[in-house]
Amino acid sequence: QVQLVESGGGVVQPGGSLRVSCAASGFSFSSYGMHWVRQTPGKGLEWVASIRYDGSNKYYSESVKGRFTISRDNSNDTLYMQMDRLSPEDTAVYYCAKEGVVVNGYHFDYWGQGTLVIVSS
Amino acid sequence: DIQMTQSPSSLSASVGDRVTISCRASQNIRNYLNWYQQKPGKAPKLLIYAASTLQSGVPSRFSGSGSGTDFTLTISSLQPEDFATYYCQQSYSIPQYTFGQGTKLEIK
Repeated sequence: QVQLVESGGGVVQPGGSLRVSCAASGFSFSSYGMHWVRQTPGKGLEWVASIRYDGSNKYYSESVKGRFTISRDNSNDTLYMQMDRLSPEDTAVYYCAKEGVVVNGYHFDYWGQGTLVIVSS
Repeated sequence: DIQMTQSPSSLSASVGDRVTISCRASQNIRNYLNWYQQKPGKAPKLLIYAASTLQSGVPSRFSGSGSGTDFTLTISSLQPEDFATYYCQQSYSIPQYTFGQGTKLEIK
């Protein structure tokens, strides 16, 4: 069965950096686009970044562009998000999500359990 | 950017009730609309994609309809496990995958 397991969250000071990871199993990781979505405590969902199946294209929300970098290692079935110049507004649970088979648009058919990132001094 | 607005923001209902949740897009998104369910402390779960296609394994009491700017998620007969927060998401203007603000469905 499909499993996505995030790790790497924690507490970091403003201006600091953190890398979160998402280990995938149960599907052909190298065949699917992957995404990061975050959720601030008690708030809704915000798409953060996407990467194509082969890593050839990467996309970012305006709120993280220039500070976050999405990447993937298809040989190890792992997705990453390098987060630099973090601010308190980046405090959130970060989910990785697998892209579903494209049918009239994209959707996220499997999600990890999330990893909490807290930016605080 | 496309804005997604859900209504109501919260809703109280009883087991067995028929419930509808609305989602409106700020511009035409054809049928590029997905619905997710999220329970407290858990990850979102895909219910419906492309406005009306039921994700595998999702009970048939869930259905979706609509196109253009107005969409609806319907639960035909509420079950205890359906009390959760529901989000719509547009995938028309990719890669900016905008979510609605959520609708919290509570037990009456």
